[in-house]
Amino acid sequence: AAGVIQSPRHLIKEKRETATLKCYPIPRHDTVYWYQQGPGQDPQFLISFYEKMQSDKGSIPDRFSAQQFSDYHSELNMSSLELGDSALYFCASSLDDQRVEAFFGQGTRLTVV
Amino acid sequence: GENVEQHPSTLSVQEGDSAVIKCTYSDSASNYFPWYKQELGKRPQLIIDIRSNVGEKKDQRIAVTLNKTAKHFSLHITETQPEDSAVYFCAASRSESADGLTFGKGTHLIIQP
Repeated sequence: AAGVIQSPRHLIKEKRETATLKCYPIPRHDTVYWYQQGPGQDPQFLISFYEKMQSDKGSIPDRFSAQQFSDYHSELNMSSLELGDSALYFCASSLDDQRVEAFFGQGTRLTVV
Repeated sequence: GENVEQHPSTLSVQEGDSAVIKCTYSDSASNYFPWYKQELGKRPQLIIDIRSNVGEKKDQRIAVTLNKTAKHFSLHITETQPEDSAVYFCAASRSESADGLTFGKGTHLIIQP
């Protein structure tokens, strides 16, 4: 079965650079969630979108922004990168109308040097 | 906001024995409680979940119990096997989906042969 696709899988950026992470949800899923997981830490909720509108916001820094497009894929834009932004970024998707569980993508490992 | 406490942080059991991981939450409005298994370097994978209108749910060797009055829920794994070794995260959410999940800090489950 198709899963959540994230790209790229690995990304290395320098401080103060920008990065864009992409997430392609499971077909027909209309809701996307972004999580950040630091080394040895639990996933922290950043932001979610339902039907292209922001539905909830967590601990997302002001330097980050995200959006969901008409094909339901989502992009997380990160600017003025800091060393502390190095983490695994997971995207998850679900079909909220049917209260289906959220399935996580493989994640993008961002390293800021 | 929601706060989820998870215990223990590390749990070592003999193969074949049972393992129990406990979580408490603070927000009485939370009504969705999933459990995720995360192997090293991999994505969190949903293994079981429970909603607030149910007190217990079982799926083969895995069961989850929920006590809404006490605001705690537990994961029970019976007849543990080596492949059960992983980090397990509990989570809680106000919505009946995965919107804005708050995760516990995780339990590193080690199955001793």
